[in-house]
Amino acid sequence: KAGVTQTPRYLIKTRGQQVTLSCSPISGHRSVSWYQQTPGQGLQFLFEYFSETQRNKGNFPGRFSGRQFSNSRSEMNVSTLELGDSALYLCASSIRQGPPEAFFGQGTRLTVV
Amino acid sequence: AQSVTQPDIHITVSEGASLELRCNYSYGATPYLFWYVQSPGQGLQLLLKYFSGDTLVQGIKGFEAEFKRSQSSFNLRKPSVHWSDAAEYFCAVASAEYGNKLVFGAGTILRVKS
Repeated sequence: KAGVTQTPRYLIKTRGQQVTLSCSPISGHRSVSWYQQTPGQGLQFLFEYFSETQRNKGNFPGRFSGRQFSNSRSEMNVSTLELGDSALYLCASSIRQGPPEAFFGQGTRLTVV
Repeated sequence: AQSVTQPDIHITVSEGASLELRCNYSYGATPYLFWYVQSPGQGLQLLLKYFSGDTLVQGIKGFEAEFKRSQSSFNLRKPSVHWSDAAEYFCAVASAEYGNKLVFGAGTILRVKS
């Protein structure tokens, strides 16, 4: 059974640009959550999508957005990149029925220069 | 507000020695509890979870954790550490009350000396 797949693994962008990250969940999983990991703030929840609808949102500015497609794949977009957006972005998938058991992808390392 | 505390930023143990990583949480009710491990530059791997029932849970790679409601703790243990266990360990909690999003502790970096 394939795990959670995130693409690309590495990205370098310039301040002011925008970026789109992709996440393919485990087959049969309909919930996708996104987390940002930085040395200073640790692991922080961005948002969760289930059945193409955002179900939960963390405390991030509106520059961070996402969407989910009918096949449960999800994309995360960050517009007007800032240096502080440099981070490892992790995607997690779960079935979402009952207690959450989230499985994480390898992450996308975003560097903003 | 939900919070998770991992008091130890770094822990160094000798190979073959026992290990205990501490985790305390602050939640309104008994949350779902997890331990994840992360190797450098990698994603998070689920070691074990507690949802309900027996307070001692077994996980992968020989790890176990004990939920103690009275102490709001969920400490991770391993009887004999292997060099390959060197990594960063994260305790996490979730609650249906907060939409089941994971709230993570700051992590504990485990170093194993030979």
